[in-house]
Amino acid sequence: EVQLVQSGAEVKKPGESLKISCEGSGYNFTNYWIGWVRQMPGKGLEWMGIIYSGDSETRYRPSVQGQVTMSVDKFMRTAYLEWSRLRASDTAIYYCARQLEGYSAYDFWGQGTPVTVSS
Amino acid sequence: EIVMTQSPATLSVSPGERATLSCRASQSVGSDLAWYQQKPGQAPRLLIYDASTRAPGIPPRFSGSGSGTEFTFTISGLQSDDFAIYYCQQYYTWPPIHSPYTFGQGTKVAIK
Repeated sequence: EVQLVQSGAEVKKPGESLKISCEGSGYNFTNYWIGWVRQMPGKGLEWMGIIYSGDSETRYRPSVQGQVTMSVDKFMRTAYLEWSRLRASDTAIYYCARQLEGYSAYDFWGQGTPVTVSS
Repeated sequence: EIVMTQSPATLSVSPGERATLSCRASQSVGSDLAWYQQKPGQAPRLLIYDASTRAPGIPPRFSGSGSGTEFTFTISGLQSDDFAIYYCQQYYTWPPIHSPYTFGQGTKVAIK
């Protein structure tokens, strides 16, 4: 059974750093891209970028380039999303999702990691 | 960036009826379009990709059609479990460097 399991909810202060995780199981982890999708409170879905689990190749949405870093540890079967300096506007639920082979739709999703940034 | 516009924002439908949702792209995306269902407190669930292909395990009452800039998603015979928010997503440009993948703003299907 394919599963993506994300790390738990986080409460941080502006300026702090954060790294959240997404562990994949039940499939050949290194053969797939992992996408990250943001959902701000009460809002819709926003695609942030993707990372290839086999070689860590990344593609970022221009507006988040430089604001976050995507990485992967293929031996731990885990993808990461990291901030060096959080802002209040980073408050959102962050989902990881597996990109369908041959199509850039997302067939399996993590449960989401809520991140709250508040002073 | 390709802008996806969904209509209506809210659709009120009685159980057993048909719901028809629209998604329009600001430029052609070919058939590179997916539909997702999201319920409160849950992650999105892939229903349709390649504009009209049902994802594994998705019942046939869910269907998608269209290409280019105009797409339609239909739920035939709405069941109580179908009341949710539905999003379209385009994934036309590969690699998505200068033109990121984008979602519509969502259509809420509510009980009438």
